[in-house]
Amino acid sequence: KAGVTQTPRYLIKTRGQQVTLSCSPISGHRSVSWYQQTPGQGLQFLFEYFSETQRNKGNFPGRFSGRQFSNSRSEMNVSTLELGDSALYLCASSPQGGSLNIQYFGAGTRLSVL
Amino acid sequence: AQKVTQAQTEISVVEKEDVTLDCVYETRDTTYYLFWYKQPPSGELVFLIRRNSFDEQNEISGRYSWNFQKSTSSFNFTITASQVVDSAVYFCALSEANFGNEKLTFGTGTRLTIIP
Repeated sequence: KAGVTQTPRYLIKTRGQQVTLSCSPISGHRSVSWYQQTPGQGLQFLFEYFSETQRNKGNFPGRFSGRQFSNSRSEMNVSTLELGDSALYLCASSPQGGSLNIQYFGAGTRLSVL
Repeated sequence: AQKVTQAQTEISVVEKEDVTLDCVYETRDTTYYLFWYKQPPSGELVFLIRRNSFDEQNEISGRYSWNFQKSTSSFNFTITASQVVDSAVYFCALSEANFGNEKLTFGTGTRLTIIP
């Protein structure tokens, strides 16, 4: 079975731009969660999508949004990029919703905002 | 609010030594799950173990073992006879069982370096 795939792996943007990251979960997994990892704040939960609906969200501003498609693939969008958005964005999938389940992570998208 | 503390920021040991990574958690819930993940240089988090709050049995998997003690709110991870491939950042994480509002809270991680 293929693992969680995130594209692109690396991205460079400038302040004020917007960016879209993509995540393809493991086949059969219906839940996709997104995390931001930075040296200062560590790993922080962004949001979770299950069956095309946002099931849960963390404490991030509205500039961070996401969606999930009928095939469970998910996209995350960040608008009006700030320097502090530079981070490794990790996506994780699980068969069912909720963080009590084992989550399987992708290798991440490393975003650099200049 | 849930919280996970990994006080050891970095640990270096010589290959074949045993090493223990500490994890202390805080939660008001009686039902919760604890996890350990490994993050190698490639970036993805690799699942190692999940434990629920009602199961305090220690677990051993090959060279890995976990000691869960509710009395001290700790969930420590020991690698026996460490190998260079064990070098990675290790994260302990906690999720409370608030249906519809579960969030995985990670500790700050421990960077483990195994010296050949």
